[in-house]
Amino acid sequence: GAVVSQHPSRVICKSGTSVKIECRSLDFQATTMFWYRQFPKQSLMLMATSNEGSKATYEQGVEKDKFLINHASLTLSTLTVTSAHPEDSSFYICSAPSGTLNTEAFFGQGTRLTVV
Amino acid sequence: AQSVSQHNHHVILSEAASLELGCNYSYGGTVNLFWYVQYPGQHLQLLLKYFSGDPLVKGIKGFEAEFIKSKFSFNLRKPSVQWSDTAEYFCAGGLKAAGNKLTFGGGTRVLVKP
Repeated sequence: GAVVSQHPSRVICKSGTSVKIECRSLDFQATTMFWYRQFPKQSLMLMATSNEGSKATYEQGVEKDKFLINHASLTLSTLTVTSAHPEDSSFYICSAPSGTLNTEAFFGQGTRLTVV
Repeated sequence: AQSVSQHNHHVILSEAASLELGCNYSYGGTVNLFWYVQYPGQHLQLLLKYFSGDPLVKGIKGFEAEFIKSKFSFNLRKPSVQWSDTAEYFCAGGLKAAGNKLTFGGGTRVLVKP
């Protein structure tokens, strides 16, 4: 199947700093990618839809100025957590659709962010 | 509003026991349904999916799921589990018109005792 790679897999940062997470589709092109957040022992919550060449679409309650998304190419989307706070600590996962008619989502391995 | 709910948060079984995980959905249109598995420390992996046609879907590793439209359900089953099935299982749904924008259920942690 298609491969989606996230980098870094783990990151620790200080409060107030910004962190960039990359999501790459390695063997296919993705005009759309999705960013999810998973709190401990909870399910994945969709944060935003990343659209190549245009603005991201954010879900209700997600601060667009806090979570900056850039989808500059057909194989790369980035999520930047700006001015991070401890409550931003979470597991962030991206996915990209592929397969026939883009009907299957392939997930990255996730990035565990810890803000201290 | 779109929603997916899973009935059990935790399930503990012995090897060779049968497994059934419940999933119900609420959508305002035609929906695609999925079951994903997340083994400890690994990516989410697709177990199976339902788009249309035969409501009984067979997936990888001996799993199957049945789409029952009248009950808005998509329950996952495996007749005989193995210790290696210990993982977290997520049901997810997405409107056909929305690409692969998925709504996930809360997940069910399954522990299979050897």
